[in-house]
Amino acid sequence: GESVGLHLPTLSVQEGDNSIINCAYSNSASDYFIWYKQESGKGPQFIIDIRSNMDKRQGQRVTVLLNKTVKHLSLQIAATQPGDSAVYFCAETSTGRRALTFGSGTRLQVQP
Amino acid sequence: NAGVTQTPKFQVLKTGQSMTLQCAQDMNHEYMSWYRQDPGMGLRLIHYSVGAGITDQGEVPNGYNVSRSTTEDFPLRLLSAAPSQTSVYFCASSQTLYTEAFFGQGTRLTVV
Repeated sequence: GESVGLHLPTLSVQEGDNSIINCAYSNSASDYFIWYKQESGKGPQFIIDIRSNMDKRQGQRVTVLLNKTVKHLSLQIAATQPGDSAVYFCAETSTGRRALTFGSGTRLQVQP
Repeated sequence: NAGVTQTPKFQVLKTGQSMTLQCAQDMNHEYMSWYRQDPGMGLRLIHYSVGAGITDQGEVPNGYNVSRSTTEDFPLRLLSAAPSQTSVYFCASSQTLYTEAFFGQGTRLTVV
């Protein structure tokens, strides 16, 4: 069946370091991927997305990398700040489907 | 711009009671969805709608009904509350499935 999962449930980094959050997916037909950030007590917030015709996409301090060969997605956060502490979810979908599938999330803890 | 508004923010129900969780968006988005989030887990899709008058089931639809009579509103109805429905519920909207989804702040529901 289709699934989206994450390798690490909790990631702890020092302030100023770069963070990398990973996500694996199983559906080779997946063609749209999104990263969301969820702070405690709030709804998920869109960070960045990428389509399957791209390998890399950059935003402000964030970069998403897509490796379709091994069905792997990663989110890189540069110069991690305390405000980046949150749970990060990847989600995916594919043409013909009508909903996103979310992974179980990775908690990012930024140590001062 | 209010975005996605969910009401109520908190609710306690007794087993067997029914209630409606309200969701409204002011962005003229076609796609709306309801998710539930259990502790330490990702988001699971309950129901979704691709436009007014069109709804469909997601991953965990049992015990829930939805309707979409207008573009703006997408209420979720619990027919007969059960303790297993204790969760945090999120409503989301986007222009299409392939664009950024905006989430509400969530409704924390406890069924006793």
